[in-house]
Formats: sequence, structure tokens, C-alpha cells
Amino acid sequence: KNEVEQSPQNLTAQEGEFITINCSYSVGISALHWLQQHPGGGIVSLFMLSSGKKKHGRLIATINIQEKHSSLHITASHPRDSAVYICAVRSLNTGNQFYFGTGTSLTVIP
Amino acid sequence: GAGVSQSPSNKVTEKGKDVELRCDPISGHTALYWYRQSLGQGLEFLIYFQGNSAPDKSGLPSDRFSAERTGGSVSTLTIQRTQQEDSAVYLCASTLVSGNSYEQYFGPGTRLTVT
Repeated sequence: KNEVEQSPQNLTAQEGEFITINCSYSVGISALHWLQQHPGGGIVSLFMLSSGKKKHGRLIATINIQEKHSSLHITASHPRDSAVYICAVRSLNTGNQFYFGTGTSLTVIP
Repeated sequence: GAGVSQSPSNKVTEKGKDVELRCDPISGHTALYWYRQSLGQGLEFLIYFQGNSAPDKSGLPSDRFSAERTGGSVSTLTIQRTQQEDSAVYLCASTLVSGNSYEQYFGPGTRLTVT
């Protein structure tokens, strides 16, 4: 049983396309994080959300607490956006523990 | 300033041997997480340290795994009697906790291969 499900698992887009990655979760959460893992393996935290919407450059993250769903959008995608995007939730019940999705592998073609 | 460092970057060990993995977090970050990422799998929570509080060890997969954080800074993850299923990338995340905000900064990881 996966507490966090992401879709799609793999995504290929043409440069400039608008991209959406979805995350659904089944546990009560105190926060949701979006992470980016580059081909070399390094992981960067993109957003932490507990409600609403956040924007950073071409990246937008939204969360709907009632529906237990979050989306990560990338506008005007670029080949350098190619990476694995991981959704992680911090459990409300266990406090410190994070549950992770298996990631969405994005490839942006020039 | 310096980011999170982990050592070694790669470790190959024989089944049954003990290994020790090190994490140097960002100075001033009171919280530290260890995670494991097995091939083709998502990240898996292992253990959490916050200040002087007792660590949350609920993610450790067996009693062969243990971790320490000395002086609220450097942390070591020890795996005793390694098994092939322990092969994975072990990541630590130095975490700045402020209210409900958790800013995580990941280290580059240690790739462990048990032969």
C-alpha cells in the first residue's frame, strides 16, 4: 500500500510545453513537499505546501487538502527541467515521518 | 556557506561486514533525517534527529541499523552484518525547522553496494 501516488510515472514533453505532475495521498498530513532529483542524483527541495498555491519562477505548486491532491506545474518547459520530481508528505499522525511517491521522470526535448 | 556533505560517496562491502556512513549537516540546523533510496524505489524514511530529543527510529528496517548524532551535528548511520538487500543510496537531509516549516537540504548520498 502506497501512501503517496504520483502520475504519470514518465513524461516526455517538447520544449515550451506546459507540464503537470500529480500527487495523491491517503494519510493526514501536516505538509507536502515537492522535490527535484537530477540525473546525477542530487535532490533539491522545491516547495513545501500546507495549503493553497506557491510559485517560484516557472514552477507552480498547488494543494487541495480536502481532496488530498497536489499538482506541480512547469510553464514554458526547458530541457534543463529534465529530472525526477518527487512528492513527499509529512504525516500528521507520526509527526516527523515522511512518505514519498516513487517519482515522475520528466524529459524535455529541445 | 557549505552544504550537506556525506562520506564515503561510494562504498562496496562484502555481505556480513559492518559499514558506517557519515553525514555532516549544515551548521545551525537542528534536525537531520536519514533516508534510503533503493534502485527503482522511492525514498524511504529511516530515522529523524531533532535537537536533544530522542530520535525517531521508526523507519529503521531492522536492529542491524543504528544511528547517532554527536553534539547535535555530525551523524553516523551504522549497518551491522550487511545484507545484499541493504544495497541502496543512503541520503541525509539537514533540516531547518521553524514553526511548521521544514526546509530540507539533501546531501549527495552514499551509494552502498553489498556483494
